[in-house]
Amino acid sequence: NAGVTQTPKFRILKIGQSMTLQCTQDMNHNYMYWYRQDPGMGLKLIYYSVGAGITDKGEVPNGYNVSRSTTEDFPLRLELAAPSQTSVYFCASSWTSGKDTQYFGPGTRLTVL
Amino acid sequence: AQSVTQLGSHVSVSEGALVLLRCNYSSSVPPYLFWYVQYPNQGLQLLLKYTSAATLVKGINGFEAEFKKSETSFHLTKPSAHMSDAAEYFCAVTHAGNNRKLIWGLGTSLAVNP
Repeated sequence: NAGVTQTPKFRILKIGQSMTLQCTQDMNHNYMYWYRQDPGMGLKLIYYSVGAGITDKGEVPNGYNVSRSTTEDFPLRLELAAPSQTSVYFCASSWTSGKDTQYFGPGTRLTVL
Repeated sequence: AQSVTQLGSHVSVSEGALVLLRCNYSSSVPPYLFWYVQYPNQGLQLLLKYTSAATLVKGINGFEAEFKKSETSFHLTKPSAHMSDAAEYFCAVTHAGNNRKLIWGLGTSLAVNP
């Protein structure tokens, strides 16, 4: 099992550009999550999904969009990138609810200049 | 509402010394509690979790944590620190009722000095 994979590992965007962060899991997990991590701020939940076709907002959804067309994939879309979106982004998955272990990808380091 | 407080954003210990990382939670219902570890330039991985079974929970790499309801605490300990324990440690909470999401602490960075 590859677990949770994320691409790309690094990316530099210019202000106003758009991009999609890819996340794939091969564990047949129902729940998937997108977090951003900023120094000293812990993890902030952006969006999560409880199954294919079902997504919901987390704490900091503004400026992002998600979709979940399959169990395996949960891409995160950034529209009109802003410097405030400079961060490290982590995708995670769990079998069912929040009380189950979350498995994290290696992260994407995004810089917006 | 649930919340998690990790006391001390940075902790430094000597190799071989006791590691104690503090986590206090707030929850009006019985909680599920977690400790995750993040090694440099990696994603997070589960160290251990409490889900209403034994109050003393053993995890990977010699770590353990004790759930103390009276103190609303879930402190993480390891008897003897190793250089490889240097990492960021996160405490998190959820509960059985509406547990779609974890509530995360801000993290504690552990440095281990030779």
